[in-house]
Amino acid sequence: KAGVTQTPRYLIKTRGQQVTLSCSPISGHRSVSWYQQTPGQGLQFLFEYFSETQRNKGNFPGRFSGRQFSNSRSEMNVSTLELGDSALYLCASSLAGGDEQFFGPGTRLTVL
Amino acid sequence: AQSVTQLDSQVPVFEEAPVELRCNYSSSVSVYLFWYVQYPNQGLQLLLKYLSGSTLVESINGFEAEFNKSQTSFHLRKPSVHISDTAEYFCAVQGGGSYIPTFGRGTSLIVHP
Repeated sequence: KAGVTQTPRYLIKTRGQQVTLSCSPISGHRSVSWYQQTPGQGLQFLFEYFSETQRNKGNFPGRFSGRQFSNSRSEMNVSTLELGDSALYLCASSLAGGDEQFFGPGTRLTVL
Repeated sequence: AQSVTQLDSQVPVFEEAPVELRCNYSSSVSVYLFWYVQYPNQGLQLLLKYLSGSTLVESINGFEAEFNKSQTSFHLRKPSVHISDTAEYFCAVQGGGSYIPTFGRGTSLIVHP
């Protein structure tokens, strides 16, 4: 089985721009979660989607949004980028949520 | 609310020496516990997990962790480390009907030759 894939792997943007990151879960997995990883804050939960619905949400501003498609693929969008948004964004999938999560390699976002 | 504390941000150790990475959690309900490993420029991989049953769980590469309910701990151990074990290790707790695990800040294991 192919693992979780994330595109792009690296991204450089400037302040004020917006960005869209993509995640393809393992085939058959219906839950997709997104995390932001930074050296100072560690792994912070952004949101979780299940069957195209946002089921859980972390404590991030509304500039961070996401969606899930009928094939379980997910995208997250960050609008009006700030320097502090520079981070590794990780996507994880699981069969239904609440079970083992499988992580993708992440997208390294740098905001200049 | 759940929380996880990984007491050491960095653990340096020589090759073939034993190591223990400490993890304490707080939760008012029954929990599932996980250890994940992250190698440079990669995502997290599940190392081992405790769901129920035996309190001692083992991974295929020689790591083990013991669930201690009274001390609310889930420390990770390996009797003899290799250079290739150099990585970031994350402890996570999940419970109370939540679908989302709470992660610790991570412990960087640095194995020296």
